[in-house]
Amino acid sequence: EAEVAQSPRYKITEKSQAVAFWCDPISGHATLYWYRQILGQGPELLVQFQDESVVDDSQLPKDRFSAERLKGVDSTLKIQPAELGDSAMYLCASSLHRNTDTQYFGPGTRLTVL
Amino acid sequence: GESVGLHLPTLSVQEGDNSIINCAYSNSASDYFIWYKQESGKGPQFIIDIRSNMDKRQGQRVTVLLNKTVKHLSLQIAATQPGDSAVYFCAENFSGGYQKVTFGTGTKLQVIP
Repeated sequence: EAEVAQSPRYKITEKSQAVAFWCDPISGHATLYWYRQILGQGPELLVQFQDESVVDDSQLPKDRFSAERLKGVDSTLKIQPAELGDSAMYLCASSLHRNTDTQYFGPGTRLTVL
Repeated sequence: GESVGLHLPTLSVQEGDNSIINCAYSNSASDYFIWYKQESGKGPQFIIDIRSNMDKRQGQRVTVLLNKTVKHLSLQIAATQPGDSAVYFCAENFSGGYQKVTFGTGTKLQVIP
């Protein structure tokens, strides 16, 4: 069964350092999402791509976060500089079409900022 | 999603009993609703969905009920099993334009063997 892949699974960094997370969606899925999940809460959408284009980044803290999906396949989410409050699970999800509602999630990257 | 702090509501159920997990959604324009199951250390997993033109949908051992009048959603799990222990999230979606799914607060289901 096809799955969304994410790496690394765990990342520990010091504040002010740069971190990057990678996501490979299910093959053929046009829509890719990055979520942040703080412990005890539901996932919060950070950015949504349709192919290589950003269609929603209204909740992305653009002063320190950036995301790209250059070829419309895999994607990278970067934080620079990391802050203590960025400690969370970063989840990637994909769906087949823009209007197809089922999102398939990867295992996530757990970030700890010291 | 709405922020509710670090303490998830918890539902404890005896193995074999039925479970009912409730959720209130916020946007009356939402037209699609999804339940996700999230096990510890994993990403959310799709369980069942329902569109706003329905009030009930059944899957294997799960049923979702939608009450649009009071903006309430529930997930019923029949014959709850230890493997059902997880955090359950409801999510609402407004499909106008690009879909944007908003997750609600989670409920932790603990199954007592």
